[in-house]
Amino acid sequence: QVQLQESGPGLVKPSGTLSLTCAVSGDSVSSSMWWTWVRQPPGKGLEWIGEIYHSGSTNYNPSLKSRVTISVDKSKNQFSLKLSSVTAADTAVYYCARRIAVAGTVGFDAFDIWGQGTMVTVSS
Amino acid sequence: QSALTQPASVSGSPGQSITISCTGTSSDVGSYNIVSWYQQHPGKAPKLMIYEGSKRPSGVSNRFSGSKSGNTASLTISGLQAEDEGHYYCCSYAGDSTFVFGGGTKLTVL
Repeated sequence: QVQLQESGPGLVKPSGTLSLTCAVSGDSVSSSMWWTWVRQPPGKGLEWIGEIYHSGSTNYNPSLKSRVTISVDKSKNQFSLKLSSVTAADTAVYYCARRIAVAGTVGFDAFDIWGQGTMVTVSS
Repeated sequence: QSALTQPASVSGSPGQSITISCTGTSSDVGSYNIVSWYQQHPGKAPKLMIYEGSKRPSGVSNRFSGSKSGNTASLTISGLQAEDEGHYYCCSYAGDSTFVFGGGTKLTVL
């Protein structure tokens, strides 16, 4: 079955860059999916960060756009998130997820597969 | 782009039905039938329950149903069970290739 697994540092210093990777198994990042990042601050709701298609096309949350870069590595079947100039407000559980892009497919335009999430704390 | 509005909490007894609302604007919920709902248990990743407003993925109980009227989407859970307890989030396409989530609703099964 399809599985997503986030990895990366659990602690990032203020003003630094948060870098996470999502390894995909059971599917290809070159398939007709949008590969997505979502975050959840402690005790709060979900926030859509952005997504990437295998072509390299990206979509970002306007509130984060100036600080976010999402990239894809087809050779490693993974995609990545970089968030620059982080502050304590960026402390959250970061999830990677898959969004189905083919109309008529079960789960179309929804996030049907999620990673387990990884906690990132911004602190000196 | 503001978060969709959900009630902070709802509750119901086993066997009852509850409805969770998700209010957006004419720029998101009101303009597109691209609303999804997610269930999240403590310490776990969200799980897709409803997509395209009212469709259920395979494996999701038919006790879960979705609908939309104007700028408000709704999730109804009938025949409430203890295992339904958790947080529920709505999500809508918001135009310009972006998505927005609701603030989340905590469901308590009494």
